[in-house]
Amino acid sequence: DQQVKQNSPSLRVQEGRISILNCDYTNSMFDYFLWYKKYPAEGPTFLISISSIKDKNEDGRFTVFLNKSAKHLSLHIVPSQPGDSAVYFCAASGLNTDKLIFGTGTRLQVFP
Amino acid sequence: DGGITQSPKYLFRKEGQNVTLSCEQNLNHDAMYWYRQDPGQGLRLIYYSQIVNDFQKGDIAEGYSVSREKKESFPLTVTSAQKNPTAFYLCASSIAAWRSSYNSPLHFGNGTRLTVT
Repeated sequence: DQQVKQNSPSLRVQEGRISILNCDYTNSMFDYFLWYKKYPAEGPTFLISISSIKDKNEDGRFTVFLNKSAKHLSLHIVPSQPGDSAVYFCAASGLNTDKLIFGTGTRLQVFP
Repeated sequence: DGGITQSPKYLFRKEGQNVTLSCEQNLNHDAMYWYRQDPGQGLRLIYYSQIVNDFQKGDIAEGYSVSREKKESFPLTVTSAQKNPTAFYLCASSIAAWRSSYNSPLHFGNGTRLTVT
């Protein structure tokens, strides 16, 4: 039972354009969400997070949007750069759990 | 610099052999985790430890064992009972498990790719 879903396994975006990565979750008890970025043969690195008391959090080129009623979050990267090419994982957690639940990842490719 | 060290980066074993993956952290974090990454399946939690001498099973603990004798170290043993051991293994740590998502995101090592033939 996949509680955190990333339905797009891959995404290709031209350099300079916006990248939008999506994530859906099923557990209504989740109240904290994170995005991690992973390069091949390396561990994931934390990118940005959002609490359920907010609907938007911004950090430079990265913005995460949360729609609690739809149980959906998205990561926007503007403008996209070739160095953004990586696998992006969303993850979720709640007050009643002491672990993160990860999605399956979306591979983003930014081309010139 | 503080961080998490996983060794070795690549590991090859014959089927039927147990193998231990090393994970060391100097971040003074209480909680440590082991995840497994397989293509198309994201990161799945194997074991985690919130404090020294204590650990809990994650979602896919069968065929694995861990120990947490020191705060800095959380080795993972892949036993011969693990049916599909070939995978990329990631170790992570956080300040404390119950608030790991709130105050301190997980910090990951660079992983060990285990191949069993």
